Amino acid sequence: GDSVTQMEGPVTLSEEAFLTINCTYTATGYPSLFWYVQYPGEGLQLLLKATKADDKGSNKGFEATYRKETTSFHLEKGSVQVSDSAVYFCALIPKYSSASKIIFGSGTRLSIRP
Amino acid sequence: GAGVSQSPSNKVTEKGKDVELRCDPISGHTALYWYRQRLGQGLEFLIYFQGNSAPDKSGLPSDRFSAERTGESVSTLTIQRTQQEDSAVYLCASSLAGDSYEQYFGPGTRLTVT
Repeated sequence: GDSVTQMEGPVTLSEEAFLTINCTYTATGYPSLFWYVQYPGEGLQLLLKATKADDKGSNKGFEATYRKETTSFHLEKGSVQVSDSAVYFCALIPKYSSASKIIFGSGTRLSIRP
Repeated sequence: GAGVSQSPSNKVTEKGKDVELRCDPISGHTALYWYRQRLGQGLEFLIYFQGNSAPDKSGLPSDRFSAERTGESVSTLTIQRTQQEDSAVYLCASSLAGDSYEQYFGPGTRLTVT
């Protein structure tokens, strides 16, 4: 079945470091891909999305590119801040499926040291 | 408030008891979703309400789980005869329309069954 695999955390970085959180997926056809973020004490929020191959989603300095060749959607940021500390979830909606079938990865906790 | 709210934020119950979890979606959102997140795992879809349509219950893990929604407002998720494996964070989300990936999540209810 369709699934999402993301790197296990926690990931701890110093402020201004470069961030990569790996995400790979298994799906039939070309799903839509997402990154959600959950800040401490808050609900999940959509961070960025890409709905077709080679699309790049971006928001708040974060980027992810839909790579069909490697079935990946890695999250990157060039210079992280303490305020980026949160749990990040990679997710997909299978093609021709409804949004109620969104499939989430297990989440990666990111901690940024000042 | 403007966001999705859930209550209680934490619930500890004894095995075999029934629990009710509440979700208040964003006003005007026609779609409402319930998810479960076990420790260290991704979100599992439970149930989806869209307007007056019959809910999509395909994610409910057993007949001990049920949910109701009054019109386009409050929803309650009921777990009867709780078991220890029901311990998880239960998340509610709402969206403007059905089949939207722009889901807005509440902070969740952490359920612990002892």
